[in-house]
Amino acid sequence: DVKVTQSSRYLVKRTGEKVFLECVQDMDHENMFWYRQDPGLGLRLIYFSYDVKMKEKGDIPEGYSVSREKKERFSLILESASTNQTSMYLCASSLWGAGVQETQYFGPGTRLLVL
Amino acid sequence: GESVGLHLPTLSVQEGDNSIINCAYSNSASDYFIWYKQESGKGPQFIIDIRSNMDKRQGQRVTVLLNKTVKHLSLQIAATQPGDSAVYFCAEIFNTGGFKTIFGAGTRLFVKA
Repeated sequence: DVKVTQSSRYLVKRTGEKVFLECVQDMDHENMFWYRQDPGLGLRLIYFSYDVKMKEKGDIPEGYSVSREKKERFSLILESASTNQTSMYLCASSLWGAGVQETQYFGPGTRLLVL
Repeated sequence: GESVGLHLPTLSVQEGDNSIINCAYSNSASDYFIWYKQESGKGPQFIIDIRSNMDKRQGQRVTVLLNKTVKHLSLQIAATQPGDSAVYFCAEIFNTGGFKTIFGAGTRLFVKA
C-alpha cells in the first residue's frame, strides 16, 4: 500500500511566523503535490513537483514556497503566515503521468490555524 | 474577505438503501475520472476510476457511470452502510502537455442507522 505521511495533524501558529509542513511518501513516486482544502471550495493546488529539485506553481501559489531535495520528501513553506492561510493542507503523490493517468494518493492532512 | 455560506451539498440515506452521488465536470477533453472518499479527519481515499472510453465501471458495492454528452459523472453505492458516511468528490484528469487534475467540491453523505 502507498503510504503518504505528513509531519503534523494539527498546527497553531501566529501571524508572521514561518511554517514548515513536511510530507513523505514511501512508494518512489515521481510526482508530489500540495493542496489546501477549504469548505465548499474543494481541493486547490498550491504547488507540485515532478522530480527532485523541480517545482511548478499550481493554482494558488502566492504566499507559499516548496522544497524537494529528496524524491520521497516534499515540503511546503509559509514564509510569513497569515490568517487567510488557515486551512487543511493535503499532500499527495503519484506515479509519473507520461501516457499514464495518475491516481493521487493522499496523506491524512494537516489542519493549520493561524492566529 | 470572509467566505460566508459555503456548505457542501448533503445527501442523507437510510442504512441499506442505495446512494447516488452526482458530479458535473468541466472539460470535455477530460479522459480519466476518479471518485474519492474523505472521512472526517482523514485525507481523501481512492474509491474507483473510469476512463473516458467507458460509460460504466463496477467495483465492490460501487458503480461509476459516465455520460460524456452532458459531462456528468455519478457514483452509486449499493446497500449503504454507516461506514460509508463521508464526503465524496470526483476528479477529472486531462492532458495539457502534462496531466492536470481538477477536483469537485464534494458531497457529504450521511447514513442514518
